[in-house]
Amino acid sequence: AQSVTQPDIHITVSEGASLELRCNYSYGATPYLFWYVQSPGQGLQLLLKYFSGDTLVQGIKGFEAEFKRSQSSFNLRKPSVHWSDAAEYFCAVWYNNNDMRFGAGTRLTVKP
Amino acid sequence: SQTIHQWPATLVQPVGSPLSLECTVEGTSNPNLYWYRQAAGRGLQLLFYSIGIGQISSEVPQNLSASRPQDRQFILSSKKLLLSDSGFYLCAWSVRIHTEAFFGQGTRLTVV
Repeated sequence: AQSVTQPDIHITVSEGASLELRCNYSYGATPYLFWYVQSPGQGLQLLLKYFSGDTLVQGIKGFEAEFKRSQSSFNLRKPSVHWSDAAEYFCAVWYNNNDMRFGAGTRLTVKP
Repeated sequence: SQTIHQWPATLVQPVGSPLSLECTVEGTSNPNLYWYRQAAGRGLQLLFYSIGIGQISSEVPQNLSASRPQDRQFILSSKKLLLSDSGFYLCAWSVRIHTEAFFGQGTRLTVV
């Protein structure tokens, strides 16, 4: 079945530390991949996307993500986390039908 | 530039009452439109999508319906709300499938 998995429900990092949020998907063909961020009570903001080409993509707010076909993964990274990065992060995948499927989300807490 | 408006931001409704949530998109033509529901601590579940006026596809059987009376207007409705309809509802649009979706600010619906 087509699915998107974010294994970490909640992650806590210290401000200034590096961050990696994991995302795995199940899909036979090359997927269209996205990361979104959601602040409490708000809609989702697109951080970055991958359609094809260079497997390392840069996004807004200093985030990047790497597509690894062999691992069916699209992990989100940031070298130095800021307190304002505290939010919920969602990985999403377009499948062949008109269905953008989302992971369950990872809540990021940033310690001062 | 394109913008998406969703209202109301919050809504408290009694069980058995009707529902109407509205979403409009500006600055684009013939967008794909989506309604998602986000339950607490969960990812997003696609409820409906529309690729054109009067064309609605439902992803899950439920107590809700959607309509698209105009090109850039998408309405989520219910004749009689259930407690289980409580949640955070998000409207989104995209240029076409396999591209990024842009989200409204969401409506927090509480059925009491």
